[in-house]
Amino acid sequence: EVHLLEAGGGLVQAGGSLRLSCVTSGFTFGRNGMSWVRQPPGGGLEWVSSISNIGDKTYYADSVKGRFTVSRDNSKSTLYLQMDSLKGEDTALYYCAREPTVRWENWFDPWGQGTMVSVSS
Amino acid sequence: QSLLTQPPSVSGAPGQRVTISCTGSSSNFGAGFEVHWYQQLPGTAPKLLIFDTNSRPSGVPDRFSGSKSGTSASLAITGLQAEDEADYYCQSYDSSLNGYVFGAGTKVTVL
Repeated sequence: EVHLLEAGGGLVQAGGSLRLSCVTSGFTFGRNGMSWVRQPPGGGLEWVSSISNIGDKTYYADSVKGRFTVSRDNSKSTLYLQMDSLKGEDTALYYCAREPTVRWENWFDPWGQGTMVSVSS
Repeated sequence: QSLLTQPPSVSGAPGQRVTISCTGSSSNFGAGFEVHWYQQLPGTAPKLLIFDTNSRPSGVPDRFSGSKSGTSASLAITGLQAEDEADYYCQSYDSSLNGYVFGAGTKVTVL
């Protein structure tokens, strides 16, 4: 069974940094692109970032470009999101999700349970 | 404001059919990109419901179906059940953003 487990969330002051991780199991991690999607409290889903299966291509939403960095370690089956210069509007539940196919545009399946990031101003 | 427009809420009685619309544009659906749908039950992570417009993952009941025409897509739920009460999101790729987009979500209420 495919399993994704996020960690690293917490409370941080505006301008601070956090590093999220997503440990995966149940599939060959290096074969799939991966993404981060966030959901503010009471709000909808927002795509944040994606990374190709070997990490040579990365993509970001305009709202986080220049502040967030996605990376992966295929030897550890783990996805990361380094978040710098955090703002109040970054407060959200952050999900990692697998991109199931080799297509460059995809859907997300499955999702982890999420890790909460709270940014205080 | 999302590039994919969904109604905030829809409702129906048990057994009825409800539909959720998702209106896009020439940079997503109109450019040929597919639509995918997710169900989010209260307090849980989103779950894939429909991919590539009208394909259902294993385990998803055939009461759920999808369609797309031009710059619009829709999700239909037939034989509505109490357990279908959830938030539903459409998702696609947008060439103007060079990234993925989600609709704002539709809350389905079973009366």
